[in-house]
Amino acid sequence: AQSVTQLGSHVSVSEGALVLLRCNYSSSVPPYLFWYVQYPNQGLQLLLKYTSAATLVKGINGFEAEFKKSETSFHLTKPSAHMSDAAEYFCAVTDYSSASKIIFGSGTRLSIRP
Amino acid sequence: DAMVIQNPRYQVTQFGKPVTLSCSQTLNHNVMYWYQQKSSQAPKLLFHYYDKDFNNEADTPDNFQSRRPNTSFCFLDIRSPGLGDAAMYLCATSRGGNGETQYFGPGTRLLVL
Repeated sequence: AQSVTQLGSHVSVSEGALVLLRCNYSSSVPPYLFWYVQYPNQGLQLLLKYTSAATLVKGINGFEAEFKKSETSFHLTKPSAHMSDAAEYFCAVTDYSSASKIIFGSGTRLSIRP
Repeated sequence: DAMVIQNPRYQVTQFGKPVTLSCSQTLNHNVMYWYQQKSSQAPKLLFHYYDKDFNNEADTPDNFQSRRPNTSFCFLDIRSPGLGDAAMYLCATSRGGNGETQYFGPGTRLLVL
């Protein structure tokens, strides 16, 4: 069975600092991995998606994530945080028990300090 | 722009009074999903339709029902809302199949008085 673990329910960084949000996955088959962002009172928006084409995936808003099979990780990074990055971030993996479903991590709330 | 639309954005209902939330999509996707999301939690899948095939999650209460009259529309019916059903309800769509991205609507926040 697939699963994802997000380390840190809340991360706080200063504006301009590096953002690192951690995600580890468990999958018996090559996974499809996603990062979604959710702003307050809004739906989820896809940031980026790993499909095995490249281990470093670039997404919207300057975010990127690196797939590391040896570490079973898919951490999300951004070199310089902006106030507008404050949001909830969810890592997710395809649920192979049902091709149409994905499994979400518990989420990480990112706060940006001025 | 192709998109997923949810109406209304905010819905207030009374304890025990049936309520229907609606979702429409212009993406022509095969799959439509309904999620429940409570504060500071991940979305929880309630059920999904793959075309006309309904797939209910094992732990979805009987109080929650869904209808998909055509490709574009899907409805979430809560037959007798309780205080614990107050949440954000998210609709999403995808083409279906492994690795397909789910596209989310803006959500409907339900308040139960």
